[in-house]
Amino acid sequence: EAGVTQFPSHSVIEKGQTVTLRCDPISGHDNLYWYRRVMGKEIKFLLHFVKESKQDESGMPNNRFLAERTGGTYSTLKVQPAELEDSGVYFCASSRGGRQNEKLFFGSGTQLSVL
Amino acid sequence: AQSVAQPEDQVNVAEGNPLTVKCTYSVSGNPYLFWYVQYPNRGLQFLLKYITGDNLVKGSYGFEAEFNKSQTSFHLKKPSALVSDSALYFCAVRDTGYNKLIFGAGTRLAVHP
Repeated sequence: EAGVTQFPSHSVIEKGQTVTLRCDPISGHDNLYWYRRVMGKEIKFLLHFVKESKQDESGMPNNRFLAERTGGTYSTLKVQPAELEDSGVYFCASSRGGRQNEKLFFGSGTQLSVL
Repeated sequence: AQSVAQPEDQVNVAEGNPLTVKCTYSVSGNPYLFWYVQYPNRGLQFLLKYITGDNLVKGSYGFEAEFNKSQTSFHLKKPSALVSDSALYFCAVRDTGYNKLIFGAGTRLAVHP
């Protein structure tokens, strides 16, 4: 079974540019999550999809961040325009049923550097 | 509000010695607690979870964790550390009422030969 895949693994952009991160969850997993870790800090929740619907987007920092999951398969997270404080590692995770005792499967993350 | 604290940025231990990585939590209601590990250039991998039942939970790679309700702690342990255990360890609690994990800042475990 293929795991959660994220692309790109690294991205270096200049302040003001746009970047789009992609996440392919495990096939059949309806629940998809985006998280972010800023250097040395805790991993923070960004948002949660159930299929194509946003279940919880309380962690999205501001309207420069736009997440989509058209068709309920892969998801994209766009940052436009990027700011220096957006640098960090962006993780995607998926799970099948969304139960509270269910473990999440994580991708390897995208290291975003905004210069 | 739910939160997780990992008081140590780094834990150093000699190979063969027991290890403990500390975690305390704050949550309303019954906690669902998790430990994840991140090896270099890899995603987080699930180690173990506490939902209910026995306070000592066994997980992958010989790790176990002890749930202590009175101390609101969920420390990760292993009787004999391996150099290959060196990694970044994250404690997490499931947000009650929502389907998201709240993570601690992580503890780097360094096991020396």
